[in-house]
Amino acid sequence: DADVTQTPRNRITKTGKRIMLECSQTKGHDRMYWYRQDPGLGLRLIYYSFDVKDINKGEISDGYSVSRQAQAKFSLSLESAIPNQTALYFCATSDPTDTAYNEQFFGPGTRLTVL
Amino acid sequence: GEDVEQSLFLSVREGDSSVINCTYTDSSSTYLYWYKQEPGAGLQLLTYIFSNMDMKQDQRLTVLLNKKDKHLSLRIADTQTGDSAIYFCAENAGNTPLVFGKGTRLSVIA
Repeated sequence: DADVTQTPRNRITKTGKRIMLECSQTKGHDRMYWYRQDPGLGLRLIYYSFDVKDINKGEISDGYSVSRQAQAKFSLSLESAIPNQTALYFCATSDPTDTAYNEQFFGPGTRLTVL
Repeated sequence: GEDVEQSLFLSVREGDSSVINCTYTDSSSTYLYWYKQEPGAGLQLLTYIFSNMDMKQDQRLTVLLNKKDKHLSLRIADTQTGDSAIYFCAENAGNTPLVFGKGTRLSVIA
């Protein structure tokens, strides 16, 4: 079974709808991240959490919110989706005590299309 | 803030060597990484190098680090069609999330 799972894998929605993307991990890591990937723009950090009580904004947090429900779960919400939020979204985890080189482990991604 | 730059595309013939280059700005980076993203998948760590090293070799992969110029490169020897992917350079400058470059799409021509 995959260590980092994301649901749904694909989602098509309409402008103005509220959307939640979910991420679960079985690695026991404290740190979790949400990124979006756009062609030519690479990976951009939306939010990150270093433990259950810690939430931090990344470089592109406007229009997004997150919830860290438990160590294993980190959800990303789009309160009112807009077309320029169409992208591939990745969740990742890490634990600096797990590997000295602080590897990040990625989920398979959620492809979101906002019409 | 930190910035990581890499070219967007590279095309090579099967059997040739590929060299993907990256520059970064944060001189306090402790680790630098190469991640690989295959079509339809998430990123996976390919290799990494500690900042006090200038070279690391792992089978067909060679990583070179020039700290003075803040330049990192990834050489793939005997490139195969299965190496076609997007390669991301990333840096770790302490207790912060990794900073990724925009990714280099490597196309291998048979």
